[in-house]
Amino acid sequence: TQLLEQSPQFLSIQEGENLTVYCNSSSVFSSLQWYRQEPGEGPVLLVTVVTGGEVKKLKRLTFQFGDARKDSSLHITAAQPGDTGLYLCAGPRGTYKYIFGTGTRLKVLA
Amino acid sequence: SAVISQKPSRDICQRGTSLTIQCQVDSQVTMMFWYRQQPGQSLTLIATANQGSEATYESGFVIDKFPISRPNLTFSTLTVSNMSPEDSSIYLCSVPLQGSDSYGYTFGSGTRLTVV
Repeated sequence: TQLLEQSPQFLSIQEGENLTVYCNSSSVFSSLQWYRQEPGEGPVLLVTVVTGGEVKKLKRLTFQFGDARKDSSLHITAAQPGDTGLYLCAGPRGTYKYIFGTGTRLKVLA
Repeated sequence: SAVISQKPSRDICQRGTSLTIQCQVDSQVTMMFWYRQQPGQSLTLIATANQGSEATYESGFVIDKFPISRPNLTFSTLTVSNMSPEDSSIYLCSVPLQGSDSYGYTFGSGTRLTVV
C-alpha cells in the first residue's frame, strides 16, 4: 500500500522564521503535488514536481523532489501569517487518482 | 482550470437522516471525484463518479451508504445516508486539472457536515 507520510504534523512559528515540511514514501511516484488548504476551503494546488532532483520556486516557497522520486520537501522562507494552513502532498496511484499525505498544519503567528 | 461550485457549504443534521451534496462544474469533465476529510485528517477518496455508468467506490465505501449520481458531464451529487456522528467530516468534490501536462485536481470549497 502506498503511503505518504508528512512531518512535522503540526508547526507553529513566528512570522519571519523559515521552515521545512517533508513528504516521504517507500514507493516511487511519477510526480508529486503540493496543496495548501485554508479553513473553509478546498485544497489549492501549489506545484507539481515531476523529475527526480527537481527544484521549483514559487515566491518564498521552494519545492524539491527527491532524486529517487520517493520524497519531497517544501521550504518556506520568511513565513507570513498568510502562509497559515494545512499543507498536503499528493501522488498519483492510477488514472487521475491521487493518494494524499498525512498533512502538516502550519500556523504562523504575527 | 475548471471552477467548481459545491453546496451546501455546511450543514448540521440529525442522526438517521440523509444529506445530498451537489457539485457543479463550469465545464464538461469526464471524471469527478468525491473525497472525505475527517476532522484534523487528510483526504480519503470515496468514489469516482463517471458519467453514464455507476460510480466506482474505494475500499471501505459502499453505494448504499454513499449513493452518487452523475446525470451529465458538469454535475454530480453525493448522498450521505442514514447518518451517524462518525460521518461528521468535510466532503469535497474534485476534477482533474485540464491540459495534457497538468497534474492534480481542482477542488470545490467543501461541505462541512456535522451529525448530532
